[in-house]
Amino acid sequence: DTAVSQTPKYLVTQMGNDKSIKCEQNLGHDTMYWYKQDSKKFLKIMFSYNNKELIINETVPNRFSPKSPDKAHLNLHINSLELGDSAVYFCASSQPEQGSHEQYFGPGTRLTVT
Amino acid sequence: GIQVEQSPPDLILQEGANSTLRCNFSDSVNNLQWFHQNPWGQLINLFYIPSGTKQNGRLSATTVATERYSLLYISSSQTTDSGVYFCFPYNQGGKLIFGQGTELSVKP
Repeated sequence: DTAVSQTPKYLVTQMGNDKSIKCEQNLGHDTMYWYKQDSKKFLKIMFSYNNKELIINETVPNRFSPKSPDKAHLNLHINSLELGDSAVYFCASSQPEQGSHEQYFGPGTRLTVT
Repeated sequence: GIQVEQSPPDLILQEGANSTLRCNFSDSVNNLQWFHQNPWGQLINLFYIPSGTKQNGRLSATTVATERYSLLYISSSQTTDSGVYFCFPYNQGGKLIFGQGTELSVKP
């Protein structure tokens, strides 16, 4: 069973479009995250949700809006896509309430904006 | 904020060789994870290691939190070990701190 899954794996779209990336975890974790990895492999946290509530928002443009319908899902919606949004986006989850911050990452979604 | 430095930045090995990757961090951390990002981009969780030593097959990791470093040992390297190895310490708030990684290439 896949612990953290993301769809789609690849997304190619044109500037100005709106797109969504979905993330689901079946680990029973309360905390979920979105990260962006740029072309130089540097990872940067974007958002963190705990039990459907936003707890970290790292100076991400307003065009990015996370949505958590329940604690097992954290989707990322991006409006008016720009060339600079091209990157790999990773979803992750953890359960810090149990004393462990260990994070489990999804397979990533490679977004290419043309 | 906490700074993370991984060394070496790049490493080329012949298949079968052993290697040690190092992760230094500038302040106290609560915990630390090692990941392998394979050439297909997947982030594979290797170790979650606050202190001490853990082993998993050909890989082992040691964290000495009081001296602010962690080491990842790869023995008898294989071509499938190629990729980028990341050390991610956690700060006091449980937030991952990201370094630039070590890019490993294992040649047959």
